[in-house]
Amino acid sequence: AQTVTQSQPEMSVQEAETVTLSCTYDTSESDYYLFWYKQPPSRQMILVIRQEAYKQQNATENRFSVNFQKAAKSFSLKISDSQLGDAAMYFCAYRLQGRGSNYKLTFGKGTLLTVNP
Amino acid sequence: GAGVSQTPSNKVTEKGKYVELRCDPISGHTALYWYRQSLGQGPEFLIYFQGTGAADDSGLPNDRFFAVRPEGSVSTLKIQRTERGDSAVYLCASSITRNTEAFFGQGTRLTVV
Repeated sequence: AQTVTQSQPEMSVQEAETVTLSCTYDTSESDYYLFWYKQPPSRQMILVIRQEAYKQQNATENRFSVNFQKAAKSFSLKISDSQLGDAAMYFCAYRLQGRGSNYKLTFGKGTLLTVNP
Repeated sequence: GAGVSQTPSNKVTEKGKYVELRCDPISGHTALYWYRQSLGQGPEFLIYFQGTGAADDSGLPNDRFFAVRPEGSVSTLKIQRTERGDSAVYLCASSITRNTEAFFGQGTRLTVV
């Protein structure tokens, strides 16, 4: 079974600074997706960024980028120029690609990010 | 609709009671999912619908939990004889097909007292 581990229950960053959130995962599959979701107090899970495992290039979305290390099964999220609106719970998630349970998301326990003005 | 809608937003019920949680997915999305998020945890998969049928209900914790999607659109998660351990946020998501991006609703916070 796939597992996702987020070892940082809480992180804080000063506004305009950079912060990195860590995630490791365990899978025996070679084709899969990795995601970072943001969950503000409204509870809605919002997709921040997605990485396909077959792509060597790290995904970027504006101020958000990932460091994907497939061999190490590591998938960290870097937030640059942090803004107050970035404060939220962040969840790392895994989904199989191809045949099988390619619809089921497996989430980590989350990291609570605080942004200090 | 513009997004996934879940009602009610919050529900408080007494132990032993029956509850229904509703999810209205994005129009045209054939796949629908329910997840449960306990306090301090990430969401955990409960059930996946493709159209009207439950294609995978392996995440339902026991036979007190049941979900339906009779017309392939709105889904209802039903919990019988609620227990305090059922208290959690129940999230619904939908996607165009099974392996495309899932969009989440704002969840229903269920509190069993």
